[in-house]
Amino acid sequence: AQSVTQPDIHITVSEGASLELRCNYSYGATPYLFWYVQSPGQGLQLLLKYFSGDTLVQGIKGFEAEFKRSQSSFNLRKPSVHWSDAAEYFCAVVTTSGTYKYIFGTGTRLKVLA
Amino acid sequence: GAGVSQTPSNKVTEKGKYVELRCDPISGHTALYWYRQSLGQGPEFLIYFQGTGAADDSGLPNDRFFAVRPEGSVSTLKIQRTERGDSAVYLCASSLGSSTYNEQFFGPGTRLTVL
Repeated sequence: AQSVTQPDIHITVSEGASLELRCNYSYGATPYLFWYVQSPGQGLQLLLKYFSGDTLVQGIKGFEAEFKRSQSSFNLRKPSVHWSDAAEYFCAVVTTSGTYKYIFGTGTRLKVLA
Repeated sequence: GAGVSQTPSNKVTEKGKYVELRCDPISGHTALYWYRQSLGQGPEFLIYFQGTGAADDSGLPNDRFFAVRPEGSVSTLKIQRTERGDSAVYLCASSLGSSTYNEQFFGPGTRLTVL
């Protein structure tokens, strides 16, 4: 069955430090992957997506993610974190037939220290 | 243009009561999805509509949950005999069509609290 694992429930970084959020997927075919951010009381906002092509994907707000098929990973990175990045981050994969529903990981809550 | 809207934003009800949650998708989007996000979890799929019909309701937890989309636009998620375990944020998403390339746009959610 398809699944997404985000191993880190909470991550704390200092403002200006680099960030990497981990995501591992289990999927038989070529995965189509997403990263979303959810601020308190807000809906899900798409940061970036990977469908095919270049394995390094650029997104909004200075985020990027790298697809590594050999490691079944799609880790999210940002070179310098801002206090406004504090939020919950979700990795997701979309099923590629039938319903095209999203399967989400359990999320990583990011705390940014001033 | 307007995004996906959901009403109410918050709903508090008592155990055993009936509730309806509404979703207004982006105009022209034919696909509509409901997800449920429990505390500390990622969103989980409930049901998918293509047009007016429920094409996949495999995520509905039991027969107390039902959803409709009678005119292919607005959708209502209905929960009968609510239980405390139904407390969660219910998210609606819509997309232009049904494929892996059609991004789903999410609404802000309805936070349901069952006392």
